[in-house]
Parts: sequence; structure tokens; C-alpha cells
Amino acid sequence: AAGVIQSPRHLIKEKRETATLKCYPIPRHDTVYWYQQGPGQDPQFLISFYEKMQSDKGSIPDRFSAQQFSDYHSELNMSSLELGDSALYFCASSLGTLNTEAFFGQGTRLTVV
Amino acid sequence: KQEVTQIPAALSVPEGENLVLNCSFTDSAIYNLQWFRQDPGKGLTSLLLIQSSQREQTSGRLNASLDKSSGRSTLYIAASQPGDSATYLCAASGGGADGLTFGKGTHLIIQP
Repeated sequence: AAGVIQSPRHLIKEKRETATLKCYPIPRHDTVYWYQQGPGQDPQFLISFYEKMQSDKGSIPDRFSAQQFSDYHSELNMSSLELGDSALYFCASSLGTLNTEAFFGQGTRLTVV
Repeated sequence: KQEVTQIPAALSVPEGENLVLNCSFTDSAIYNLQWFRQDPGKGLTSLLLIQSSQREQTSGRLNASLDKSSGRSTLYIAASQPGDSATYLCAASGGGADGLTFGKGTHLIIQP
């Protein structure tokens, strides 16, 4: 069965650079979530989209932005990168928003040097 | 603000034992609770989803229960195997497209 696809799997950037992470949800899933997991930490919710509209916002820094496109894929744009942004970034998708199971991608490991 | 706590933080048991992982949450107004498995540096694999109206869910050797009123969930693993070694995370959903609130996980090691 198709799963959530994230690209790239690994990314190395320098401080103050910009990064774009991509997420392709499971076919027919209309809701996408982004999470950040720092080393040894639990995943922290960043932002979500339902039917291409921003739905909820968590602890996403102002330097980050995201959107969901007409084909339901989503991109997380990160600017002015800081060392503390080094983390595993997960995307998850679900069908609808009520009582639905969230399926996670394998994540993008971002290293800021 | 929802807070999720998992006990114990780490657990090491011999192969074949049955074990229980605990999860508690502060806000009982959840839509569902989901248990995940995470291998080191890897993604999150969904194990079980319990709707707020349900009391338990089973999948193979795994059984998860939910008691909303007391803010608790447990994951029961029967006849543990070395391949079960991983970090187990529980996460509570507040509904809508709210993100999941995760616990810090239980790091489980099954000794061969």
C-alpha cells in the first residue's frame, strides 16, 4: 500500500540558508500535518492543512511557512536556518479530520551546520 | 494545554514476557488516542488507534485500552520478542486537524 512520501530523506544546510521539505500524502488523504522531532525529543506539532487550507498551527517558528497544493502535496519552507533547527521533520496524512488515523512518513533529517 | 506522560521511560525484559506500557493525558476531551512504534532514527509506525468512544483495540499480540475519565491508556504486548525492541509513543488527538500531542515514549528492549 502507498505510504506518505517525504523528500529529501536527508538534507544538510548552513546557518542562514533556506530549506524546502516536501510531503506527498497517501492517495485520497486530504489532511497533512507537519511535526518536528529534535534529538531525544518527542515529535512536536508544527502546522496542519485540510483541503489545501491551513487548519491548525502549533509551535511553528515565524521563519517557517508551509502550504498544501492542489494535488494535496505539501511543502515546508524554512528560512534563516539556525543550528537548533536540526531535527527530524515528519509529515503525516489522514483522510478527513475527525477520528481518523494519522499515517507518518519516514521523515527528513535536517542538519544545520 | 494537553500533556501526555508515559511510564516507564525505559524498560528491559527477557523475551517471552508479557508487558504493559502506560500513557496518561491531562485533558480527557480527546477524539482518539494513537499508539506508535519508532525505531532509532526512523519514522513513526502506527500500531493502534482507539476512538474516544471505544474502550480497547487489538492487533495481533498488541492490545490497547482507553479510559477517558481517568485520562489513561495502556498498551499490552503479549509474548514479547526481540523484534519488539523500539520506542513506543502514545499520542492524543484533540480533534479536527489539531496535531497530535505526544508523550516522550517508552524505550523498550527485549533481551533474547
